[in-house]
Amino acid sequence: QSALTQPPSASGSPGQSVTISCTGTSSDIGGYNYVSWYQQHPGKAPKLMIYEVSKRPSGVPDRFSGSKSGNTASLTVSGLQSEDEADYYCNSYGGSNNWVFGGGTKVTVL
Amino acid sequence: EVQVVESGGGLVQPGGSLRLSCAASGFTFSGYWMSWVRQAPGKGLEWVANIKPDESEKYYVDSVKGRFTISRDNAKNSLHLQMNSLRGEDTAVYYCARDWEGAFDPWGQGTLVTVSS
Repeated sequence: QSALTQPPSASGSPGQSVTISCTGTSSDIGGYNYVSWYQQHPGKAPKLMIYEVSKRPSGVPDRFSGSKSGNTASLTVSGLQSEDEADYYCNSYGGSNNWVFGGGTKVTVL
Repeated sequence: EVQVVESGGGLVQPGGSLRLSCAASGFTFSGYWMSWVRQAPGKGLEWVANIKPDESEKYYVDSVKGRFTISRDNAKNSLHLQMNSLRGEDTAVYYCARDWEGAFDPWGQGTLVTVSS
């Protein structure tokens, strides 16, 4: 099972929006609505930000939103804040009881 | 508070074995699938294995099949990962996570496994 494809980096100024893409195949992202996104600050554990494509867990700011079109999922962070600077990983169910992550995107707040 | 805490990491020689543990609290452990996810130094996340609440189903990423065994003790709210025939490429921080709504939440702080002579 190949990893999902994410851009290595993305950036934006405070208050702006940044969108991260996550591209898979019809066997993973395109085939299931089990797409999730995780935020990871340096030296810290990942934190769930989005699940089932577009749902936000309790406590996650509504500045974070998710979507999916075909084999590509996206995470948008609106109203960028300094604390949003982190690595972001997408994940999808890949069928056959397998889960696949993206390679990660480093978001920089300029 | 829903949380998981990993332990058991350390330095091991290639070909050696190590057993990781994860203590869960704040939720009904016996009602959830549980997973192990690892992250090699400076690299991305990789799902390793998961286990059904009653242990009747266990799944592994291809690279660890036949070498790693996931297990759980619902009476003690604990999850384990027995790692045998360890290789350098197994060096990583290993995270325990609850399978929740088709995602992983929460995650523990991780335990570092270093395979080196």
